[in-house]
Amino acid sequence: GAGVSQSPRYKVAKRGQDVALRCDPISGHVSLFWYQQALGQGPEFLTYFQNEAQLDKSGLPSDRFFAERPEGSVSTLKIQRTQQEDSAVYLCASSWGADTQYFGPGTRLTVL
Amino acid sequence: ILNVEQSPQSLHVQEGDSTNFTCSFPSSNFYALHWYRWETAKSPEALFVMTLNGDEKKKGRISATLNTKEGYSYLYIKGSQPEDSATYLCAQNSGYSTLTFGKGTMLLVSP
Repeated sequence: GAGVSQSPRYKVAKRGQDVALRCDPISGHVSLFWYQQALGQGPEFLTYFQNEAQLDKSGLPSDRFFAERPEGSVSTLKIQRTQQEDSAVYLCASSWGADTQYFGPGTRLTVL
Repeated sequence: ILNVEQSPQSLHVQEGDSTNFTCSFPSSNFYALHWYRWETAKSPEALFVMTLNGDEKKKGRISATLNTKEGYSYLYIKGSQPEDSATYLCAQNSGYSTLTFGKGTMLLVSP
């Protein structure tokens, strides 16, 4: 079966541009997570959805970061006015509940 | 705040060597410990989820143990192969679904 997919796989943005990163979770998975992995670090939690409800957004680093999952399946992470410190790999994961999280391949964002 | 630590940061072994890594985590509010393998340009792959003190899990040549009282887990690879080259991540969750990751151990296995 299909796993978690993310697009684009690579994104280069100029400082100040807005970007949108997409995540297609495994069909039927209720929970969806976004993580950010900066160079040399482990993945760090950004936000969590249960169906369409965003239950935790405590990891979003600033109000320039916004995530949505309007129909409880596909999710989009939007970053407004990108800064160089936003350069990272953005990982999406989905799970049935509080079970094993299945990850996508990530989107590598580079902000110039 | 959870603080998950992994060691070593990187490891270079020869094909056929056996190796092990350590993951340490706060023992309070423990719920589960996860191990993932992450190969370059691929998705992180779930290896094990461990919940009980004394748990031992095995998948082929890879095995893991868990000590929740002292807050550590070991991952063992027996007879390393070049295809085992990857970053191995451990993560803890404390009853809430969110995972807190260590920085990973990067393993390189040379033929």
